[in-house]
Amino acid sequence: QVQLQESGPGLVKPSETLSLTCTVSGGSVSSDLYYWTWIRQPPGKGLEWIGYIYHSGSTNYNPSLQSRVTISVDTSKNQFSLKLSSMTAADTAVYYCARESYTALDYWGQGTLVTVSS
Amino acid sequence: QSVLTQPPSVSAAPGQKVTISCSGSSSNIGNNYVSWYQQLPGTAPKLLIHDNNERPSGIPDRFSGSKSGTSATLGITGLQTGDEADYYCGTWDSSLSVGVFGGGTKLTVV
Repeated sequence: QVQLQESGPGLVKPSETLSLTCTVSGGSVSSDLYYWTWIRQPPGKGLEWIGYIYHSGSTNYNPSLQSRVTISVDTSKNQFSLKLSSMTAADTAVYYCARESYTALDYWGQGTLVTVSS
Repeated sequence: QSVLTQPPSVSAAPGQKVTISCSGSSSNIGNNYVSWYQQLPGTAPKLLIHDNNERPSGIPDRFSGSKSGTSATLGITGLQTGDEADYYCGTWDSSLSVGVFGGGTKLTVV
């Protein structure tokens, strides 16, 4: 059974950079069949697709976040990571990592709440 | 404002059937597969339907999906109180080059 687990700080100061890691078990980030994706959900609101990475390192980011986001992959650790710079209160959200099988997000992590506050 | 449009809420009685609509355009639903997700309170979304109408292993056949043109529909029959959740549609938008979701629909079983 594929499992994904997000890890990282729950509190980030305004203007700082958020760093989150997603550890994958029961599957490989090196697979040719999947993309590895980040999604976020502000409290009480809907889902927002942040971007994905392929095992080759190829990425695709949401244009609304592209100037601030970097997604990377570490195949040796079976992990992929998210960095989001210049954080503001509007970036407060639950951040999810997920596996994307070209047409759907078939496995999700449990999510981690990130609050932006001084 | 979400790229895909869903009704904010729907409700129905236990045992009844409900449908949730998802409206988009030719750049998203019209030319890409649609998926549906169930988000129970306080939990991560869970894939219910992929490729417009396919159920992953373990999803009961009470859940169904369909697509016509630039709209998609999730159907749930034999409603149970445990089905109370937020439901999201999702797809790829070829013009924006981004994954997109509907704003979510809160299902109440009363």
